[in-house]
Amino acid sequence: KAGVTQTPRYLIKTRGQQVTLSCSPISGHRSVSWYQQTPGQGLQFLFEYFSETQRNKGNFPGRFSGRQFSNSRSEMNVSTLELGDSALYLCASSFQGTSNTEAFFGQGTRLTVV
Amino acid sequence: KNEVEQSPQNLTAQEGEFITINCSYSVGISALHWLQQHPGGGIVSLFMLSSGKKKHGRLIATINIQEKHSSLHITASHPRDSAVYICAALYSGGGADGLTFGKGTHLIIQP
Repeated sequence: KAGVTQTPRYLIKTRGQQVTLSCSPISGHRSVSWYQQTPGQGLQFLFEYFSETQRNKGNFPGRFSGRQFSNSRSEMNVSTLELGDSALYLCASSFQGTSNTEAFFGQGTRLTVV
Repeated sequence: KNEVEQSPQNLTAQEGEFITINCSYSVGISALHWLQQHPGGGIVSLFMLSSGKKKHGRLIATINIQEKHSSLHITASHPRDSAVYICAALYSGGGADGLTFGKGTHLIIQP
């Protein structure tokens, strides 16, 4: 069975631009969570979607947003990019959420803001 | 503040050694995850625990709810076990489903 697919794998953007990242979860999984990983802050939770609804949000500014479609695919958008947004962005899918089911991670999208 | 502390931060061992990585969390949690990250960024979920002990091959994970502590053990370690191991806790309450991560343990197994 196919794993979690994130596209694109690598991205270079300029400050001030916006970017959209995509995550296709494992078939049948309804929960998709997004995480940011940087050398300084490590892994941090961005938000989680379940059945097209944002169920929880981490401590990130409003420039970071997301959505989930009826087929459970999720997108994450970052507007007005800053240099500090350079990071590895990971998504994870699970059947019901990380409180009671295992999370499966994608390979990540490495975003570089110049 | 909900935190997750891991130790050691770095660990170098010889092939065949028994490895222990520790994780402490500050308040009650509903689940604890152990993750493995290889160079290049891909993360693999190793275990999800809410109580007791789980075993998969040479990996064993335990959690002590009273002491707010979890350990990941690797028996008969092998160079292919070299990776970053990350503990992540899901804190109870508020309907939150966002993991709080430790900073990771960089493990190197030398042949």
